[in-house]
Amino acid sequence: QQQVKQSPQSLIVQKGGISIINCAYENTAFDYFPWYQQFPGKGPALLIAIRPDVSEKKEGRFTISFNKSAKQFSLHIMDSQPGDSATYFCAATIQGAQKLVFGQGTRLTINP
Amino acid sequence: DSGVTQTPKHLITATGQRVTLRCSPRSGDLSVYWYQQSLDQGLQFLIQYYNGEERAKGNILERFSAQQFPDLHSELNLSSLELGDSALYFCASSADGRSNQPQHFGDGTRLSIL
Repeated sequence: QQQVKQSPQSLIVQKGGISIINCAYENTAFDYFPWYQQFPGKGPALLIAIRPDVSEKKEGRFTISFNKSAKQFSLHIMDSQPGDSATYFCAATIQGAQKLVFGQGTRLTINP
Repeated sequence: DSGVTQTPKHLITATGQRVTLRCSPRSGDLSVYWYQQSLDQGLQFLIQYYNGEERAKGNILERFSAQQFPDLHSELNLSSLELGDSALYFCASSADGRSNQPQHFGDGTRLSIL
């Protein structure tokens, strides 16, 4: 129940294209959904986050879409750039708790 | 730069040994979290401290222990090390113990067991 399933495992997108990463969960007690970006040799860095009372949140080229009824959320990267090449993790926390439950990660490669 | 400092960056040791990983949270953050990242298990929560007190426990082995000191830095102690303990260990911090607070990660300690 305390799982977040992330897909795809790896993704290759052409420069300027849209990168889309999907996550799904079962536990309706999750109430905070952040996305993290990780470069090799570095720790995960918070990219953007959403709460379930909002269906979409946009920050620059990054957008989270949230579908509460389907228990799914996704990250869209518009105008993808080679510098966006990294591993992306979706995560969730349960109401009242702080521990992050992470998806398995998506290795994104943006071809120039 | 997240403001979270972890030392050492790399640690190589042998089975059966004991190591201590250190974390200094961002200035002003009261809560510290430890996570383990491995190829097979992904990123897994180990333990959380808030203002010196243990707040939550995750998939932390009995051979592992942690503490948070009065100056808010934290240490993760790993003992009787096994080959399977080889992983990246990350520390994160957040402002307080409330849920939905952003967690900021350090760059990790890479532990290699030979």
